[in-house]
Amino acid sequence: KAGVTQTPRYLIKTRGQQVTLSCSPISGHRSVSWYQQTPGQGLQFLFEYFSETQRNKGNFPGRFSGRQFSNSRSEMNVSTLELGDSALYLCASSLDPLGLKLFFGSGTQLSVL
Amino acid sequence: KQEVTQIPAALSVPEGENLVLNCSFTDSAIYNLQWFRQDPGKGLTSLLLIQSSQREQTSGRLNASLDKSSGRSTLYIAASQPGDSATYLCAVIARGNTGFQKLVFGTGTRLLVSP
Repeated sequence: KAGVTQTPRYLIKTRGQQVTLSCSPISGHRSVSWYQQTPGQGLQFLFEYFSETQRNKGNFPGRFSGRQFSNSRSEMNVSTLELGDSALYLCASSLDPLGLKLFFGSGTQLSVL
Repeated sequence: KQEVTQIPAALSVPEGENLVLNCSFTDSAIYNLQWFRQDPGKGLTSLLLIQSSQREQTSGRLNASLDKSSGRSTLYIAASQPGDSATYLCAVIARGNTGFQKLVFGTGTRLLVSP
């Protein structure tokens, strides 16, 4: 059974650009959540989706957005990139409706120059 | 607001030692607590999950305990090996701003096991 797949694995962008990251959850998992990891702030929750609906959102500016498709695949978008957006972005999926046990992907390493 | 702290931030031990990693959280109203392992530049691997009604979980050389009333959890690693070198993160499921759950992570403990 395939795990959580995130693409691309690495990404380099410049300030002001926008970026879209993709996450394919484990087959059958309908809950998908996103996290940002930086050396200074650690792991911080971005948002969580279940059956195409955003159920929860962390404290990030509106430049960070996401969506989930009917096949449970999810994308997150960051517009008007800033240097501080450089981070490892992790996606996790969960089988249970409450999202209590998470399985993580390997992440997308985003560098903003 | 739930806050999770891990002590120590870094730990270096010789192979074969038993060790304990600590995790504390400020709000005892949690659903569960998970311990994760993260290798450099990689995602997180779930090690153990303790439900709020449980006191401990074991998997191989790993044992995790949970004391909700004191807001503490420990991860015990027996007979450490160089392959155990990684960053260990604890996380609690907390109620989010819409009533649903979100994972709140600790700061992590970076473990180095020397041969």
